[in-house]
Amino acid sequence: DAGVIQSPRHEVTEMGQEVTLRCKPISGHNSLFWYRQTMMRGLELLIYFNNNVPIDDSGMPEDRFSAKMPNASFSTLKIQPSEPRDSAVYFCASSLSGGVDEQFFGPGTRLTVL
Amino acid sequence: GENVEQHPSTLSVQEGDSAVIKCTYSDSASNYFPWYKQELGKRPQLIIDIRSNVGEKKDQRIAVTLNKTAKHFSLHITETQPEDSAVYFCAASTSGGSNYKLTFGKGTLLTVNP
Repeated sequence: DAGVIQSPRHEVTEMGQEVTLRCKPISGHNSLFWYRQTMMRGLELLIYFNNNVPIDDSGMPEDRFSAKMPNASFSTLKIQPSEPRDSAVYFCASSLSGGVDEQFFGPGTRLTVL
Repeated sequence: GENVEQHPSTLSVQEGDSAVIKCTYSDSASNYFPWYKQELGKRPQLIIDIRSNVGEKKDQRIAVTLNKTAKHFSLHITETQPEDSAVYFCAASTSGGSNYKLTFGKGTLLTVNP
C-alpha cells in the first residue's frame, strides 16, 4: 500500500481565498483524522470520521473550516475564507478502528496564507 | 475533555546515555497510550504503545511504563544514538461510546549529541 496520500504537499494562498486539502486513507482503514500542527499549539485533532461519518468535530476552530468524507477512499478539508492564522501543517491520518489503533499519518500539507 | 501534559519540552543527551520523557493525563478512563516520533520535516510515526492492562512494555532500546493510579506514563530510550534525535509525542485515548479520541502532548525535542 502507498500509505496515506495527501495533496497538495505545499499550498501558498492569499487571505480570503478558499483552500481545499485532500486525503486518501489506507485501503481498509475505517477511521480518518485531520490534524493541524503549529509550533504554538502542537498537534491538534480537528475532526475524526469513522466509516465515513463525522464522529467528533469539536476541534474544528470555526465555521470557516469544513470537512467531508464522501466515500471510504477520499476526504477533504476546506477553509473558506482563509486567514494568515490558518498557516500550519495539516496532517491526515487513518487507522483500522478509531483512536485505539495505530494511526498512520500522511506526509502533510504545509499551508501558508499571506 | 482529556488533558495531556508532557515534560520536558526539550532534552539534550550525549550519545549512549539514556533519555526519559514523562507524561501525565487527566481522564482516568483513558486506556491507550501511544508514543509517536517525528523527525524534522517528516510525519509522526508510532514507535511504541501501551494499553491499560499492562504496566510496562519494551521494544529493543525503547520502553514505556504506565502508572494508572498516578495517571502518568513515561518513555525510556537507552543507549541513545544520533538518529534518535526527533520530536517525541505522547498521547492518550479516551472513549465516549464509539468515540475514541487521541489527545497529544505538546512534544519533546530530543537532541542526541555525538
